[in-house]
Amino acid sequence: ETGVTQSPTHLIKTRGQQVTLRCSSQSGHNTVSWYQQALGQGPQFIFQYYREEENGRGNFPPRFSGLQFPNYSSELNVNALELDDSALYLCASSLAPGALTVEYFGPGTRLTVT
Amino acid sequence: RKEVEQDPGPFNVPEGATVAFNCTYSNSASQSFFWYRQDCRKEPKLLMSVYSSGNEDGRFTAQLNRASQYISLLIRDSKLSDSATYLCVVKSGGFKTIFGAGTRLFVKA
Repeated sequence: ETGVTQSPTHLIKTRGQQVTLRCSSQSGHNTVSWYQQALGQGPQFIFQYYREEENGRGNFPPRFSGLQFPNYSSELNVNALELDDSALYLCASSLAPGALTVEYFGPGTRLTVT
Repeated sequence: RKEVEQDPGPFNVPEGATVAFNCTYSNSASQSFFWYRQDCRKEPKLLMSVYSSGNEDGRFTAQLNRASQYISLLIRDSKLSDSATYLCVVKSGGFKTIFGAGTRLFVKA
């Protein structure tokens, strides 16, 4: 196991609602990245947090936002949910940001928007 | 053109076979490369990093060709437990991480 945990494991929401997903990073890891994985696709980078600051963002609209806490755990918030937001949301932690560090994934949260 | 491209497969091979996957990337400034495996409805798990000199881990061999901008994964003596989706990952500095769509492998008895 990677030591990265996510909650909840499954979630069903209605279009227009808001959702918060949570992630606890592996011990000693100060960097957390969030990914969205639609069915049959590879994970797509949403954003990364390093020491409580957003360190970079992929091609996702502002209604996707996040936080990182002093203990390096993190939240992903999605407002005004759309049907296309249905996906597996993955959190990955790493020792530091940067291209050479390995990311370790949590089990994911499966979000269904109806 | 996608930044990272993989043959989606599926690859259907018998136990004991050797199978190879390729992955091409478009950003010549890419810095690091990885292979992850993902079982159905599970999270991706690191299989191996890919180094310029090539590297081997048991039955798995990964290679990088910077000139042609592709990485490869070779699996020898396939096992039933190797059945999974194999994801190619390319990082190009800072936070930018790009996953391929994955290649599905089915190993049959």
